[in-house]
Amino acid sequence: QKEVEQDPGPLSVPEGAIVSLNCTYSNSAFQYFMWYRQYSRKGPELLMYTYSSGNKEDGRFTAQVDKSSKYISLFIRDSQPSDSATYLCAMSRYLNTGGFKTIFGAGTRLFVKA
Amino acid sequence: DVKVTQSSRYLVKRTGEKVFLECVQDMDHENMFWYRQDPGLGLRLIYFSYDVKMKEKGDIPEGYSVSREKKERFSLILESASTNQTSMYLCASRPPRTELSRANVLTFGAGSRLTVL
Repeated sequence: QKEVEQDPGPLSVPEGAIVSLNCTYSNSAFQYFMWYRQYSRKGPELLMYTYSSGNKEDGRFTAQVDKSSKYISLFIRDSQPSDSATYLCAMSRYLNTGGFKTIFGAGTRLFVKA
Repeated sequence: DVKVTQSSRYLVKRTGEKVFLECVQDMDHENMFWYRQDPGLGLRLIYFSYDVKMKEKGDIPEGYSVSREKKERFSLILESASTNQTSMYLCASRPPRTELSRANVLTFGAGSRLTVL
């Protein structure tokens, strides 16, 4: 079983649509949950950061974490063509050695059509 | 903001060549990482370093080595490039765990796309 599962898409939506991106994970030890956005030919950049279950909103973006179901989501409201990118989920946990282990989903490619 | 710079954005090499990928960060971070990104496989950790001259193997270290002679610079070395090392290589850094706020957040460079013929 993969540690994290993310539908690779591609997902194509019209401008203004609500977009839902999701990941499931298998290890309940993960405590920190992130979404990165990666534009074509660029590196990933942090979009949302959450700790524990619940919702976090930042402008048109809402990150949702359900630790009991090991399921995280990213919602994009009023999607824009500039949101067209690959979205990677990530999660991390403390290690006994004092560092962190971070794993990434494979990424969902999103196209928002004008 | 932390800036992570990968000087070589696109490289084309031949099988058997030695390849150096350089990464520099400007925020005095102890921790630096090298990932490769392949379609459908996501980001896989090759090596990381938590201090100068220190290195640890990640999930897929075979065929790679690294060098960390200065805190700001972390190099990935392919001793003898092979076609299955054609990939996007991403360098990242993160702050020390003593920085409680978002100590586990990685900042990535723009990537180095390597093609091995």
